[in-house]
Amino acid sequence: QKEVEQNSGPLSVPEGAIASLNCTYSDRGSQSFFWYRQYSGKSPELIMFIYSNGDKEDGRFTAQLNKASQYVSLLIRDSQPSDSATYLCAVNSPLLGDEKLTFGTGTRLTIIP
Amino acid sequence: GAVVSQHPSRVICKSGTSVKIECRSLDFQATTMFWYRQFPKQSLMLMATSNEGSKATYEQGVEKDKFLINHASLTLSTLTVTSAHPEDSSFYICSASHRQGAYEQYFGPGTRLTVT
Repeated sequence: QKEVEQNSGPLSVPEGAIASLNCTYSDRGSQSFFWYRQYSGKSPELIMFIYSNGDKEDGRFTAQLNKASQYVSLLIRDSQPSDSATYLCAVNSPLLGDEKLTFGTGTRLTIIP
Repeated sequence: GAVVSQHPSRVICKSGTSVKIECRSLDFQATTMFWYRQFPKQSLMLMATSNEGSKATYEQGVEKDKFLINHASLTLSTLTVTSAHPEDSSFYICSASHRQGAYEQYFGPGTRLTVT
């Protein structure tokens, strides 16, 4: 059974600093990895996805994937109060016939002004 | 791009009635749509996966006769909660995937259902 684990937090980071969010997964066959942001009372919003080892950057966000360690992280540079939300890590294996996302329980991030 | 809409955003209904929720992909063809439920302060729970033109696949513990799913076209899926009860009150969210690339899912804004 696939498992995705995240520290539930809350993680408090000063405004302007780097927020680092971590996620581990149990299934070595996992192929695609996603970070979603969910504000309270709202639906998840896709921030970025990654499927190759290494770093992928998009604006202030950088996703990092290490398949050997079964570890994926999200870095948020120059953190803003608007980044305060719950961040969900998710994985799937579409090429193995499993398109369903397995979600972690999320990390609640608070940016302190 | 990749915009998914849901309607209604909020609905209040009486116990025993049925409620239909629509999910539309506005700018892409969604070969697969997913329906989730989320209770307060809990994680997303996948209810079912639907592919256009075929029967939905329900997750274990989800009653297919209570939660009717129809994926009539590549841009529309509906979820009908039949004979709703107060314990069905929740946040229902759909997502859509175009089965390309990483098969990422794009979520609709959600429907908050309250059964009185």
